[in-house]
Amino acid sequence: EAQVTQNPRYLITVTGKKLTVTCSQNMNHEYMSWYRQDPGLGLRQIYYSMNVEVTDKGDVPEGYKVSRKEKRNFPLILESPSPNQTSLYFCASSRDQNYGYTFGSGTRLTVV
Amino acid sequence: QKEVEQDPGPLSVPEGAIVSLNCTYSNSAFQYFMWYRQYSRKGPELLMYTYSSGNKEDGRFTAQVDKSSKYISLFIRDSQPSDSATYLCAPRSSASKIIFGSGTRLSIRP
Repeated sequence: EAQVTQNPRYLITVTGKKLTVTCSQNMNHEYMSWYRQDPGLGLRQIYYSMNVEVTDKGDVPEGYKVSRKEKRNFPLILESPSPNQTSLYFCASSRDQNYGYTFGSGTRLTVV
Repeated sequence: QKEVEQDPGPLSVPEGAIVSLNCTYSNSAFQYFMWYRQYSRKGPELLMYTYSSGNKEDGRFTAQVDKSSKYISLFIRDSQPSDSATYLCAPRSSASKIIFGSGTRLSIRP
């Protein structure tokens, strides 16, 4: 089944403790992206990647890092999480940015 | 002003009704228009993808774009309880990424 898989689905952590949210797609998509979704603010892009080893900032990149060493994987790294990063995170992939996205099921992160 | 505006709802209608979901945008460069459906605790899924002005129909769903007034609509005929979800409009231009609206929450009453 074609899908985007994120892990974990739920995560509660403490301020400052580094964490990684994994994302993997099995559709051989070139384009991958991370979004956060907050009430009233909608989906906001954090980072995106056009291909392996090519990443760029989205609208809200502060406090996040990404890497794209393999085509299928695009992990999101929070080096020192803060409470304002409490949110629902989605990974998405696409053939390229001109096509519709396939989203993962989301990761609900709480930073206390 | 936000680039894309949607009434957050919730919008509650009886089963079988015709539903109209709407979206306005400010960027006249937008040429491609998408609608995503998001069920509770799930990621958004692509529902409709249209280019430029006009209508596109897919089963019970019709997407309508009026570029002159910068207005996008999604119509759902014979609405079902399984249509209860949040609907996100998502326009983009040829040179930019997709911009997502904040979504309209729809509830279909059996």
